[in-house]
Amino acid sequence: SQTIHQWPATLVQPVGSPLSLECTVEGTSNPNLYWYRQAAGRGLQLLFYSVGIGQISSEVPQNLSASRPQDRQFILSSKKLLLSDSGFYLCAWRPGLTDTQYFGPGTRLTVL
Amino acid sequence: AQSVTQPDIHITVSEGASLELRCNYSYGATPYLFWYVQSPGQGLQLLLKYFSGDTLVQGIKGFEAEFKRSQSSFNLRKPSVHWSDAAEYFCAVGARGGSYIPTFGRGTSLIVHP
Repeated sequence: SQTIHQWPATLVQPVGSPLSLECTVEGTSNPNLYWYRQAAGRGLQLLFYSVGIGQISSEVPQNLSASRPQDRQFILSSKKLLLSDSGFYLCAWRPGLTDTQYFGPGTRLTVL
Repeated sequence: AQSVTQPDIHITVSEGASLELRCNYSYGATPYLFWYVQSPGQGLQLLLKYFSGDTLVQGIKGFEAEFKRSQSSFNLRKPSVHWSDAAEYFCAVGARGGSYIPTFGRGTSLIVHP
């Protein structure tokens, strides 16, 4: 069966520090991958999605970037964090031939 | 482009009472429709989905939802709520074909009183 992992589970970082969040999917190949941010009481905001290695689409201009170095790995990065980057970051994957997304456990990021 | 409205930000019910969470969508054709549940500090878990066929969809944890094309709705129901159902519930609509980027509602927070 398929499993999605996110690392780390929680993170506290100072303003101006770099960021790297990792998402990996097991048990499937060539998944579509997504990064969402969830701010308190504000629903889900799609940040990036990827349909294949090296293929990244950005939905919202921001302080973040994404990369997909391997088929089942999706990384969210920032060179310098802002206070407004705080939130709950969710990775999701979608099997290529279906229309259902499955979500990871999330990473809680607090920028101080 | 599609859109989703969850008109209730918070819903409070007593344990054992019935539940209905509302979801209205806007889309030019028959959409894909989903309900997800999120417990505090957790990711989203898929409760159920509608793609086609029978408009009454059964999901996990005793939930069901009914697709009503005439009302552009996909309301979530449960006949008897348990305290463990307290969580955030998200309705989502997806367009058929294309790059598939679903649109999520703002969520409804369910509070269950003992």
